[in-house]
Amino acid sequence: DAGVIQSPRHEVTEMGQEVTLRCKPISGHNSLFWYRQTMMRGLELLIYFNNNVPIDDSGMPEDRFSAKMPNASFSTLKIQPSEPRDSAVYFCASSLGTAWQGPQHFGDGTRLSIL
Amino acid sequence: DQQVKQNSPSLSVQEGRISILNCDYTNSMFDYFLWYKKYPAEGPTFLISISSIKDKNEDGRFTVFLNKSAKHLSLHIVPSQPGDSAVYFCAASGQTGANNLFFGTGTRLTVIP
Repeated sequence: DAGVIQSPRHEVTEMGQEVTLRCKPISGHNSLFWYRQTMMRGLELLIYFNNNVPIDDSGMPEDRFSAKMPNASFSTLKIQPSEPRDSAVYFCASSLGTAWQGPQHFGDGTRLSIL
Repeated sequence: DQQVKQNSPSLSVQEGRISILNCDYTNSMFDYFLWYKKYPAEGPTFLISISSIKDKNEDGRFTVFLNKSAKHLSLHIVPSQPGDSAVYFCAASGQTGANNLFFGTGTRLTVIP
């Protein structure tokens, strides 16, 4: 079975450039989550969608970050303009309903380096 | 303002012995708790969970204990194996019906052969 698929696996770019991270959730899952992993804060929720609708974006650091989910099988996280402090591993996860109904399944992440 | 805390960044255990990973939380509204395991260059994978109506849940070598009054949970791995070496994340769900999870910062477990 295909799991959550993220692309690219690695991204290195110069500050000021636009970065787009992509995620394909598990088919049939109706919730999608974007996380950022840092040493200091661990896995930090940025935003999550339920049935393609953004439910909670309070974790998005600032206006430079935006996320979309145009359909049930695709989501993007965009950073424009990027800054060196955005360097981190970004994970996408999907789940079937609430935490009680099933755990979140994670992709393998995108390691982002902003020079 | 970290609502889920894992105060031990790392733990080393001899193969065959018990590994105990600890987690504390501050929000009394949390009612569902999960443990995830993460290998390098991979995403976290679900390991075991427990709801607040229980104080123990067991799955093979893995047991999670929940102490609601202390707002504390722990993961026991017995016996520990070298393949268990990974980073373990504790997570909590806000309330029944909530989708999002609050994660701790992780504990790196090293099982020494």
